[in-house]
Amino acid sequence: DTAVSQTPKYLVTQMGNDKSIKCEQNLGHDTMYWYKQDSKKFLKIMFSYNNKELIINETVPNRFSPKSPDKAHLNLHINSLELGDSAVYFCASSPPGQGVPPLHFGNGTRLTVT
Amino acid sequence: RKEVEQDPGPFNVPEGATVAFNCTYSNSASQSFFWYRQDCRKEPKLLMSVYSSGNEDGRFTAQLNRASQYISLLIRDSKLSDSATYLCVVNMRNFGNEKLTFGTGTRLTIIP
Repeated sequence: DTAVSQTPKYLVTQMGNDKSIKCEQNLGHDTMYWYKQDSKKFLKIMFSYNNKELIINETVPNRFSPKSPDKAHLNLHINSLELGDSAVYFCASSPPGQGVPPLHFGNGTRLTVT
Repeated sequence: RKEVEQDPGPFNVPEGATVAFNCTYSNSASQSFFWYRQDCRKEPKLLMSVYSSGNEDGRFTAQLNRASQYISLLIRDSKLSDSATYLCVVNMRNFGNEKLTFGTGTRLTIIP
């Protein structure tokens, strides 16, 4: 009955490879996000989708491409991985409503690029 | 100046003590404020929202000072289970979109 689930939990890969991280939420939320937490624990938003439409795209290299096939899924594809991409990537979702609803995070994908 | 700034700590506090930490934010137009808690190698979880009038949830009290642009979190009668990183989160409206900006967190360890 996991609310926001990400796969894989760990991902170790070599520089130059292409990889994907999947995220699904069963909460019926309209908005989904990708956050990156680097080695200094700084959590920074990358993308935000609302009902499959991109609404926030921070300054992220275009090697990162989110895809939302439906409002319950937001996947992240990364091309030509670099050492600096090593981080924990968190998917999150939030319900509709006025103001700022709470974020529900997945348990993260720890990406290590060697 | 960082958008959201926190003392990273670590704060090592004996069990039962009261501990408080602050967070400052740079954008005076910020509208909503939160504290999230993140346990080691886990995802962040909402601890509490911060209201203008200040609010309390059990042993936790959050306050907002708009004039000085800071929010605070006070934990009374600290428990071992309070050991975690506490993330200050500020909502800023950016071109019509809501954007939550996280601080780097304050690490708290409660010592038996």
